[in-house]
Amino acid sequence: SQQGEEDPQALSIQEGENATMNCSYKTSINNLQWYRQNSGRGLVHLILIRSNEREKHSGRLRVTLDTSKKSSSLLITASRAADTASYFCATDRGGSNYKLTFGKGTLLTVNP
Amino acid sequence: KAGVTQTPRYLIKTRGQQVTLSCSPISGHRSVSWYQQTPGQGLQFLFEYFSETQRNKGNFPGRFSGRQFSNSRSEMNVSTLELGDSALYLCASSWGTSGMEKLFFGSGTQLSVL
Repeated sequence: SQQGEEDPQALSIQEGENATMNCSYKTSINNLQWYRQNSGRGLVHLILIRSNEREKHSGRLRVTLDTSKKSSSLLITASRAADTASYFCATDRGGSNYKLTFGKGTLLTVNP
Repeated sequence: KAGVTQTPRYLIKTRGQQVTLSCSPISGHRSVSWYQQTPGQGLQFLFEYFSETQRNKGNFPGRFSGRQFSNSRSEMNVSTLELGDSALYLCASSWGTSGMEKLFFGSGTQLSVL
């Protein structure tokens, strides 16, 4: 079963607007990552937040993590048409687990 | 620095056949992971290798197998193909020495089973 569940499943906005995607997970984690995938290609790593961090920024990206609610959010500010992609959260349980568990993703469409 | 290379990019097979997919990680990366992506199930973990040792395996039948060579290149094999094996197979590499940090993905192999 999927560890992470993204919400919403699909999001359509206009260029310049902000996009917020949420991710919930079930068990304790070591870190949480966000990835982007353009139309059936490989995934690209966006940002990693550790379980002892609450917020992280990278360019136009802002990620928050609430371990008490087992949830994370990804905010993309001032969206561009090039941000159109699927976004996935992925969790890692640490230790000798050696795998990422991905959610089903949010499809973001940014209209020019 | 070259990225993760997966070959072939597309593959069409018929039921019952077997297939081998190849992955060359980024130079210096010793961990290679494989994922299966389908519209219905999303991204499912297949296995992870580090220095030729499988460190974790997902919940897939024994028809799915993999290996890693001394140069860190990896292959995965699917025997007795079924229609449900049609998917995008993604390989990812990382340094692998500190848990599951940032993964670098290849463009995938799109497998169609007819």
